[in-house]
Amino acid sequence: AQTVTQSQPEMSVQEAETVTLSCTYDTSENNYYLFWYKQPPSRQMILVIRQEAYKQQNATENRFSVNFQKAAKSFSLKISDSQLGDTAMYFCAFMKRTASKLTFGTGTRLQVTL
Amino acid sequence: KAGVTQTPRYLIKTRGQQVTLSCSPISGHRSVSWYQQTPGQGLQFLFEYFSETQRNKGNFPGRFSGRQFSNSRSEMNVSTLELGDSALYLCASSLVAQANTEAFFGQGTRLTVV
Repeated sequence: AQTVTQSQPEMSVQEAETVTLSCTYDTSENNYYLFWYKQPPSRQMILVIRQEAYKQQNATENRFSVNFQKAAKSFSLKISDSQLGDTAMYFCAFMKRTASKLTFGTGTRLQVTL
Repeated sequence: KAGVTQTPRYLIKTRGQQVTLSCSPISGHRSVSWYQQTPGQGLQFLFEYFSETQRNKGNFPGRFSGRQFSNSRSEMNVSTLELGDSALYLCASSLVAQANTEAFFGQGTRLTVV
């Protein structure tokens, strides 16, 4: 079974600053995907970024980038130039390559302040 | 293109009753997954349907069931409701049941059992 751990229940960052959210996972699988999802107060989960485990290059999506360390089973999310609209719960998630079931971490509540 | 639609958005039921929640996926999507979100247990996978067949099931009691129709719309049913079933139920749809396809989430149904 896979587990995903997010050790930071809450974080705060000032607008325009950079913040990094941590995620570690445990799996015996070799082929898998890792995701960061954002859940704003509207409750709708939105995909922020996705990383394929077999790709060594870290994924980036505009202001969002990841630091994927496969050997260490670490998958952190860096948000640059933080905006007020980034305020949300952020969930790290794991999915086996051959499946479509997501295993989520417990989430990190991010507050962006003026 | 319409997103994933979940109905109803809010629901209040009495302990012992049963409830049916509905999820209409994005047009053309054939895979639908259901998740339960609670403050205590976080996000947990319930089940996944693809082409009217249940492909994967989480660790939930038999009171939780689901089905998918030929138009890919899905319903989940919870019988003999318990207080602990109070949760946000999220539905996600994807084109096919593979990890390399993005899952799009609905806004959820907030179920309160009293």
